[in-house]
Amino acid sequence: DTAVSQTPKYLVTQMGNDKSIKCEQNLGHDTMYWYKQDSKKFLKIMFSYNNKELIINETVPNRFSPKSPDKAHLNLHINSLELGDSAVYFCASSFGTGYDQPQHFGDGTRLSIL
Amino acid sequence: SQKIEQNSEALNIQEGKTATLTCNYTNYSPAYLQWYRQDPGRGPVFLLLIRENEKEKRKERLKVTFDTTLKQSLFHITASQPADSATYLCALDGGANNLFFGTGTRLTVIP
Repeated sequence: DTAVSQTPKYLVTQMGNDKSIKCEQNLGHDTMYWYKQDSKKFLKIMFSYNNKELIINETVPNRFSPKSPDKAHLNLHINSLELGDSAVYFCASSFGTGYDQPQHFGDGTRLSIL
Repeated sequence: SQKIEQNSEALNIQEGKTATLTCNYTNYSPAYLQWYRQDPGRGPVFLLLIRENEKEKRKERLKVTFDTTLKQSLFHITASQPADSATYLCALDGGANNLFFGTGTRLTVIP
């Protein structure tokens, strides 16, 4: 069983479109995250959710909105896609928000904007 | 702002040797530091965590050190194997389990 799964794995779309990426974890974790990995492989936190509440919101454009229907899911919705949004987006999860909790990552969604 | 540097973008070593990767940070005093492995087309996989009051942590062929005075962590893979070839990322805590990642070192173990 996949612990953290993301869909789709690849997403190719045009500028200006709206798209969503789904993430599910079956580890029983109560904190989930979204990261963006750019072309230089730099991985940067975007959001995290703990018990369905946003606890971190880095300086990302408000075109990006995380939505969590329950603690096993954290979806990422992106409005008005721009060329600079092209990247690999990773979902992750962990137990709680303690300082010593490893994070478990999905295999990423590669978003390409034409 | 926090700055995390991993010593080199790429490192090639001969099979059987010890690989040593470096993670340096500035403008920050993390309570813990984590190391992850990332294979092409995959997400990062957690390897080891070390706390600020720990000098060293081991797991099988892996060893991590954490020097808060030098603001540096070293990651060692002993008896390296071609299967160890991957990108290795260090990550520092930003509070509330917010992790700041380094840019990674791509390790290639040559048979």
